[in-house]
Amino acid sequence: QVQLVQSGAEVKKPGSSVKVSCKASGGTFSSYAISWVRQAPGQGLEWMGGIIPIFGTTNYAQRFQGRVTITTDEATSTAYMELSSLRSEDTAVYYCARTLVDYDSSGYYYISYFDYWGQGTLVTVSS
Amino acid sequence: QSALTQPASVSGSPGQSITISCTGTSSDVGNYNYVSWYQQQPGKAPKLMIYEVNNRPSGVSDRFSGSKSGNTASLTISGLQAEDEADYYCTSYTSSSTHVFGTGTKVTVL
Repeated sequence: QVQLVQSGAEVKKPGSSVKVSCKASGGTFSSYAISWVRQAPGQGLEWMGGIIPIFGTTNYAQRFQGRVTITTDEATSTAYMELSSLRSEDTAVYYCARTLVDYDSSGYYYISYFDYWGQGTLVTVSS
Repeated sequence: QSALTQPASVSGSPGQSITISCTGTSSDVGNYNYVSWYQQQPGKAPKLMIYEVNNRPSGVSDRFSGSKSGNTASLTISGLQAEDEADYYCTSYTSSSTHVFGTGTKVTVL
């Protein structure tokens, strides 16, 4: 049974950084991608970016480019999302999600869907 | 990349069918079949309900179905039940090699 377990809640000061972890179990970690999705209080879901561990390839939503870094440690089947230059608007629940990727005949890949999700990590940014 | 457009709310009586629309552009929904739908109960993580436009994961009720026409994808819930009351989000792959979520729809069972 696939499980994604995230690290605990964080309280951060504006301008600082936060690093959230997501440990996977029950599947072959490198066979899938991992995406990060956040949800501000009372708001909708927002895709931040993703990584394909087997290739080390990352894709980030334009609005987070330069502020977010997604990495993996295959030895521990753990993915990480680090967000820098935090501001109050970054207060949100951050989710990791196992991501299915489709490939075409030329080797190009497409991020398809998110089948298993972590429990979420609340990050509060406050002075 | 702008969020896909969904109605803010949809409601129906038990047993009825409802449809939630998800409108994007030719750079996302209109050009790719990588559209999926998620159900989110209050305080919970989202749950995959439909993937690649019209495929149901194992364990999801066949009362849920998906379709797409042009730049608009749709999720239909047939035989509405009280347990279906939740927020629903669509998402699509985009030409920028990213994903974009819909604005979300609150489903109320009357």
